[in-house]
Amino acid sequence: NAGVMQNPRHLVRRRGQEARLRCSPMKGHSHVYWYRQLPEEGLKFMVYLQKENIIDESGMPKERFSAEFPKEGPSILRIQQVVRGDSAAYFCASSTGLAGDNEQFFGPGTRLTVL
Amino acid sequence: QKEVEQNSGPLSVPEGAIASLNCTYSDRGSQSFFWYRQYSGKSPELIMSIYSNGDKEDGRFTAQLNKASQYVSLLIRDSQPSDSATYLCAVNTAGNQFYFGTGTSLTVIP
Repeated sequence: NAGVMQNPRHLVRRRGQEARLRCSPMKGHSHVYWYRQLPEEGLKFMVYLQKENIIDESGMPKERFSAEFPKEGPSILRIQQVVRGDSAAYFCASSTGLAGDNEQFFGPGTRLTVL
Repeated sequence: QKEVEQNSGPLSVPEGAIASLNCTYSDRGSQSFFWYRQYSGKSPELIMSIYSNGDKEDGRFTAQLNKASQYVSLLIRDSQPSDSATYLCAVNTAGNQFYFGTGTSLTVIP
């Protein structure tokens, strides 16, 4: 009964490098959400995806950030040319997306540190 | 106005007491409401979901929803030190967007 899986759990990058965060949803879930959390702050919505579609990316910065959820494989959150301000915990959550059964379950998160 | 508002706390209660956590939301079309618990350094864990007006009980937890007042609460009975965490309120709007409050920090004092 695998839950939401994220990898890597910890990622260290130098300024200007690229960060790729991966998320595999729970079995039977086709909806994926990405959130960012800074220390001592709340969860900030970034992007909502279904297989092969971005449903809502209103919370994602216009530059350097992108997300995808291909037909096969995990969802990927990509951050290009990272800066120190990108250091945060990035959480992925998944749900069935069905009305009345749309609880979100979270993965363990990826802690990104930008040096 | 934020979509979901919670008192940030910290809220301190003695062991065995009832902890009461409150949340208000702005979108009247919201359909689904959730409470998550987050321990420091960990990911949010779903503890309750509620979809209709009234109370929903699960063990020591009771969620209460009042759509007319746009208010949802969580009661924790017989609070334990292990309940010490940040509690996040989440709302799913009619557009299937999820909004989280900033969380209420709860400390249960032995």
